Amino acid sequence: GQQLNQSPQSMFIQEGEDVSMNCTSSSIFNTWLWYKQEPGEGPVLLIALYKAGELTSNGRLTAQFGITRKDSFLNISASIPSDVGIYFCAGRRTGNQFYFGTGTSLTVIP
Amino acid sequence: NAGVTQTPKFQVLKTGQSMTLQCAQDMNHNSMYWYRQDPGMGLRLIYYSASEGTTDKGEVPNGYNVSRLNKREFSLRLESAAPSQTSVYFCASSESDMETQYFGPGTRLLVL
Repeated sequence: GQQLNQSPQSMFIQEGEDVSMNCTSSSIFNTWLWYKQEPGEGPVLLIALYKAGELTSNGRLTAQFGITRKDSFLNISASIPSDVGIYFCAGRRTGNQFYFGTGTSLTVIP
Repeated sequence: NAGVTQTPKFQVLKTGQSMTLQCAQDMNHNSMYWYRQDPGMGLRLIYYSASEGTTDKGEVPNGYNVSRLNKREFSLRLESAAPSQTSVYFCASSESDMETQYFGPGTRLLVL
């Protein structure tokens, strides 16, 4: 089945550092979503992107819908300990099925 | 609003046993989904219901059945559980089948 490739798989960073992660696919997507999942919880939506080139922010988080429509990027500025979790991208082509990435695990060291 | 709720939170089954995972949403959403999450695999869609009265297969439907009981509730049934079905199961809902999905807290299932 369709799977999105996320990188990096895991990150260990110092508090205050900026974080960048990305999601790529061999297929074109019409919608990109970014979710955060904390241990024992379901994914929580962070940012939704609907147009190629779109750049959207949510507090310290900024996500971009890649121009090729085959990728998306998430940046977190000035990381804090509560940013810890697994970040998932999800993409939708035509139709109503979303495909999820394998996740980027983020650890923030105080 | 509670959002999306799932029961049970945890379950241990023996191979061959059956069980039903329950999901309910109070956001008046039309579409509901069942996913499974396995290490290193991300979330994979099992079944979805675009609207009340309809259900469709997702990426990994084998071994599962679903029922869209009403607009609020969407259940997932394992008729004869197998160890390969050990996973974390998430239910999600969205206003329509094109919109952003909101997830429940998950059900952790272990099949021995």
